[in-house]
Amino acid sequence: QQPVQSPQAVILREGEDAVINCSSSKALYSVHWYRQKHGEAPVFLMILLKGGEQKGHEKISASFNEKKQQSSLYLTASQLSYSGTYFCGTEATTDSWGKLQFGAGTQVVVTP
Amino acid sequence: GAVVSQHPSWVICKSGTSVKIECRSLDFQATTMFWYRQFPKQSLMLMATSNEGSKATYEQGVEKDKFLINHASLTLSTLTVTSAHPEDSSFYICSARVSGVQETQYFGPGTRLLVL
Repeated sequence: QQPVQSPQAVILREGEDAVINCSSSKALYSVHWYRQKHGEAPVFLMILLKGGEQKGHEKISASFNEKKQQSSLYLTASQLSYSGTYFCGTEATTDSWGKLQFGAGTQVVVTP
Repeated sequence: GAVVSQHPSWVICKSGTSVKIECRSLDFQATTMFWYRQFPKQSLMLMATSNEGSKATYEQGVEKDKFLINHASLTLSTLTVTSAHPEDSSFYICSARVSGVQETQYFGPGTRLLVL
């Protein structure tokens, strides 16, 4: 079952912040975040394995609330290069082989 | 590190023909690779899990006889779309799993298939 991402889209001005949420109905082993630009394959941003864990990639960070089966991605002081569609991929504890189910994506547009 | 390549990047074929797509892990060994398809403005839908030396595991609704997967070595998985039809036109992406403490999946650049 696909995780639910919100919002569907967000428009930011350069320098503004945004939060993207990802929630699952299944118990999660890990959450993976990717960014995909138009016409390209997704690019790995980070993986979160433990509850409460936070990671960072440039000025992009994420948290994982294991108990709530939720993860949030934080875009801080956004840059033009942050534009793209962000996907969360969740690995459920009941799945094997590292299978990921992806959310519908959040389209981020950063304007000058 | 962790580079995944796909070939071809683009393919246009006539209806009824078969198309083979290769996915290679260039600088690591991948016991597990995944195949996804993505329609325009939609999410990535997992088609199958490819395990080296064993049969692929297909997701519900994916025809195994239509989408043949072979994971012949630790660096190569192939997806063959047999008797392709226009509805098979899509963006096919593979990913390879890097084993370790944090088991990350890295995606290949994708293959755009257009069936006429």
